[in-house]
Amino acid sequence: QVQLVESGGGVVQPGRSLRLSCAASGFTFSSYAMHWVRQAPGKGLDWVAVVSHDGTKKYYADSVKGRLTISRDDSKNTLYLQLNSLRPEDTAVYYCAREDVGATSAGSFNWFDPWGQGTLVTVSS
Amino acid sequence: DIQMTQSPSSLSASVGDRVTITCRASQSINSYLNWYQQKPGKAPKVLIYAASSLLSGVPSRFSGSGSGTDFTLTISSLQPEDFATYYCLQTYTTPITFGPGTKVDIK
Repeated sequence: QVQLVESGGGVVQPGRSLRLSCAASGFTFSSYAMHWVRQAPGKGLDWVAVVSHDGTKKYYADSVKGRLTISRDDSKNTLYLQLNSLRPEDTAVYYCAREDVGATSAGSFNWFDPWGQGTLVTVSS
Repeated sequence: DIQMTQSPSSLSASVGDRVTITCRASQSINSYLNWYQQKPGKAPKVLIYAASSLLSGVPSRFSGSGSGTDFTLTISSLQPEDFATYYCLQTYTTPITFGPGTKVDIK
């Protein structure tokens, strides 16, 4: 079945780095744009970044630009998020999600499905 | 950046109630609006895309409407499994932005 599984979270000190992974299975990974979304404890959802299906286009939320880098390895069916210069406010559950696309009479639209189970990153000294 | 707001931020309802949640965008997003349901400790689940199109497998008691800047999610008859937090999401342009969420709990 279509599945995304995140890994790589943990406790890290401020200023340090971490790399998250998202292993995809059950679909042709290279055909889909992929996203990272995070959720701080007890808070709402925040979109973090997207990478196009071919890896050529990447977009980031302003709050993470320059510190977080999204990438993909289609040979491994894996999405990555490199987190550098971590701050306490980066503490969150990080989800990866596939961008699915469908058509209506009004045009082509996208949504996030499926999502992984999430991996918790805690930035604390 | 496009800002998304939702109202109410929370509501209490009973099984069988009709529930309506509103989402507003700071500028027109056409119909590039999704609705997600999230239960505690779980990943979000998409319910609706293109403002009003129901994903396969989503119960028909869920419906969405709107275009431009104003959107609604309606649950026609609230069921026990519907108690959750609901988020709208605009995919019109990057940065993609979520609404702050509406928590639906038991009255």
